[in-house]
Amino acid sequence: EAQVTQNPRYLITVTGKKLTVTCSQNMNHEYMSWYRQDPGLGLRQIYYSMNVEVTDKGDVPEGYKVSRKEKRNFPLILESPSPNQTSLYFCASRPGDRSNQPQHFGDGTRLSIL
Amino acid sequence: AQSVTQLGSHVSVSEGALVLLRCNYSSSVPPYLFWYVQYPNQGLQLLLKYTTGATLVKGINGFEAEFKKSETSFHLTKPSAHMSDAAEYFCAVSDGGGFKTIFGAGTRLFVKA
Repeated sequence: EAQVTQNPRYLITVTGKKLTVTCSQNMNHEYMSWYRQDPGLGLRQIYYSMNVEVTDKGDVPEGYKVSRKEKRNFPLILESPSPNQTSLYFCASRPGDRSNQPQHFGDGTRLSIL
Repeated sequence: AQSVTQLGSHVSVSEGALVLLRCNYSSSVPPYLFWYVQYPNQGLQLLLKYTTGATLVKGINGFEAEFKKSETSFHLTKPSAHMSDAAEYFCAVSDGGGFKTIFGAGTRLFVKA
């Protein structure tokens, strides 16, 4: 089954404790992206990756890091989480570099940072 | 710069009534437009998309949308609402050459029995 898998689904942690949210896709997609969803703001793009070792900032990259060492994986790293990063996070992928293709989304990761 | 405006954060309809969710966009180049649906505790799923060609686009679950360039709109409709349509709906735009997709703030649809 074609899917985007995120882990963990839920996490409660404390300010300053480094965490990583993993994302993996099995569709051989070149393009992957991270979004955060906040009430009234929709989805805002954090980082995206066009292919292995190629990443770029989205609209809200502050406080986040990403890496793309393998095509299937695109982890999101919070080096020093803060309460304003409490949110619902989604990873997505799509084929190629054509933005006319829809994205496939994971089921989300709900982060609470105390 | 691209932007998306969804009019109405909440829309309530009766079962069997017309569903109309509004989306207006701005884009400096011909846009690609998408509607996604999000059910509770799930990720977003594609309902339909407009890229080129026919301006009336049909999607899954009886939904359709019409691209109106002159009005910069891409409103989502369904003739008869069903209880299972209750969800949050997102309009999104991406341009032909870029790598970003901009999402609207979302519209939550409530369906009353």
